[in-house]
Parts: sequence; C-alpha cells; structure tokens
Amino acid sequence: DTGVSQDPRHKITKRGQNVTFRCDPISEHNRLYWYRQTLGQGPEFLTYFQNEAQLEKSRLLSDRFSAERPKGSFSTLEIQRTEQGDSAMYLCASSTGTGGIGTNEKLFFGSGTQLSVL
Amino acid sequence: QQPVQSPQAVILREGEDAVINCSSSKALYSVHWYRQKHGEAPVFLMILLKGGEQKGHEKISASFNEKKQQSSLYLTASQLSYSGTYFCGTEISGAQKLVFGQGTRLTINP
Repeated sequence: DTGVSQDPRHKITKRGQNVTFRCDPISEHNRLYWYRQTLGQGPEFLTYFQNEAQLEKSRLLSDRFSAERPKGSFSTLEIQRTEQGDSAMYLCASSTGTGGIGTNEKLFFGSGTQLSVL
Repeated sequence: QQPVQSPQAVILREGEDAVINCSSSKALYSVHWYRQKHGEAPVFLMILLKGGEQKGHEKISASFNEKKQQSSLYLTASQLSYSGTYFCGTEISGAQKLVFGQGTRLTINP
C-alpha cells in the first residue's frame, strides 16, 4: 500500500493554457474523488468515480474541467483555458468503494497538485 | 450545504483541552473528521454514523447528535502534534460524497 499518488506536485502555467493532473489511487480502491482547496478553506468537491464511471460532477465545475478514469485505475483531471481563479490545490482521494460513504468508509488523500495560474 | 465549523481558530498551551463544533443545515448520514498539517494531505481521524455515537482515538474523541445535525470533536490534554487544521466532512444520506467545512485552525504552544 503506497498511498494515493498525485503528479505533478506543483504546476505553474500561464492563463489560457491547458493543464492535466494525474492521480493514482490505492490499488483496489474502487472510488476516486477530486477536490479543490484554496488557502484557508476546506476541500471543495469536484467529481467522483466508481470504478470507471463518473457518477457526479459538481455544478460549480465549469465545462473547462474534465476528468477521466479509464479502466477504473488512475484518473486525470484536465483544465482547459486556465484562468487565475483556477489557482488552488487539487486533491485526489480514494476509498474502497464497497458501499456508501455512510457505511464507515474513510477517504485516503494524496498530497495534491498545487496549481498557479499567472 | 457546507457545514459550519466553530471556532475558526484556537490557540492553546500544551496540555489544555479544546472542542471543535460542526453544524449542518441538512440531515446527516455521517460525519467524518480529518486533520491537515501545513503543506500536507488531510489525514483521517474518525467517522461517526447516525445514531448519536461517540468515538475515541487516543485523547481525541467525537460525538454526533443526529437530531441537532451537529458533531463535536474533543481534544484533551493537547500535545504539540495536534496542531493543524481540523475539517469535518458531512454526508447527506445517499450522496456518497463528503462536503467539508471551512476548517478550524488549532495551534498548540509549549
């Protein structure tokens, strides 16, 4: 169990560029979440997958954001035409996904990707 | 829908106690507590399911009042290692996702 891995740790980009982040969950974890966190705030839900199926996407998420989880393993989060307001820490978390979260299922978070849009 | 945490920040001396509260306007299925140290990922502390249970983890415990839609985290005889930001994450029945509060920053001084 190597934990949840995210790559890159830091990304600096210019406004208007596209960026892609990768998340490798704990092996055999079926559920994968993406959250966004800004300074002094709690993680904000973006989207989640059960295996390869994307089951929910936050209404706060514009169509510039897209996430995939091919084959139910790693996941990518792409932001197109980045804006300065996209600057944040993007956190990935995984869980076993054998039931609803209410059934005693904890999230394991990665260290995040810090995005800075200049 | 985001739960409200109070207080926003706490400063303690080592050995003192603290209580962090989490309130929701929605009926809750479960409440999770996480601690995040600066520059690190949030780390799981405990889960409380509806039923008003109380759980303990070393000198950190928590309660969940389903009727009041509130949870409280209790830190007793605080240690320097307890410093960090504490987040409650709430699950509305069937949502299968956590919505986190804005966090409570806890500073423990020697």
